[in-house]
Amino acid sequence: EDQVTQSPEALRLQEGESSSLNCSYTVSGLRGLFWYRQDPGKGPEFLFTLYSAGEEKEKERLKATLTKKESFLHITAPKPEDSATYLCAVQANPPRNMLTFGGGTRLMVKP
Amino acid sequence: DVKVTQSSRYLVKRTGEKVFLECVQDMDHENMFWYRQDPGLGLRLIYFSYDVKMKEKGDIPEGYSVSREKKERFSLILESASTNQTSMYLCASSFSGTYSNQPQHFGDGTRLSIL
Repeated sequence: EDQVTQSPEALRLQEGESSSLNCSYTVSGLRGLFWYRQDPGKGPEFLFTLYSAGEEKEKERLKATLTKKESFLHITAPKPEDSATYLCAVQANPPRNMLTFGGGTRLMVKP
Repeated sequence: DVKVTQSSRYLVKRTGEKVFLECVQDMDHENMFWYRQDPGLGLRLIYFSYDVKMKEKGDIPEGYSVSREKKERFSLILESASTNQTSMYLCASSFSGTYSNQPQHFGDGTRLSIL
């Protein structure tokens, strides 16, 4: 059974204090790992897809990396507007095409 | 940009009512999904559809049904609403086939309360 565990559950940072969020996974053949951002009362917003170990993707202050067992979302010099819940999900190889989501990390950045 | 639109942001219904949640996407995606999201339980898949008139059960289909009469529209039906179906409902869509490893795109959700 595919499993995704995110840590920590919640993270409080001061503005400018860099940190990383972790996503550990077990999957029978990784087809893709997805990072989403979710603001309160809204649907998840797609951030990145990673397909193979060693791959990295960047967007503004966010950088996602992937190994064979986990993914990290690094946040460099965060701002209050980066406060949100960050979700990680994995997709296994066919025939199982669905995503398995982790529980999310709630990030709070204080000014 | 991909647009997934859910018909209601907030909905209040009574137990025993038949409830319809509607979702429309504008990206010509083959796959459409219905999830519910609850604190401490995360996102759980209710049903998905990979083509018109096709559907597959997800992890928690009990008490729900779906309808997909047109490619762009996917409806979730609560046959007889119960209080344990109070939740945030999220619709998503994605490509299939060669592009099935492309991300799912989500709507903004419907917060449903059953009284």
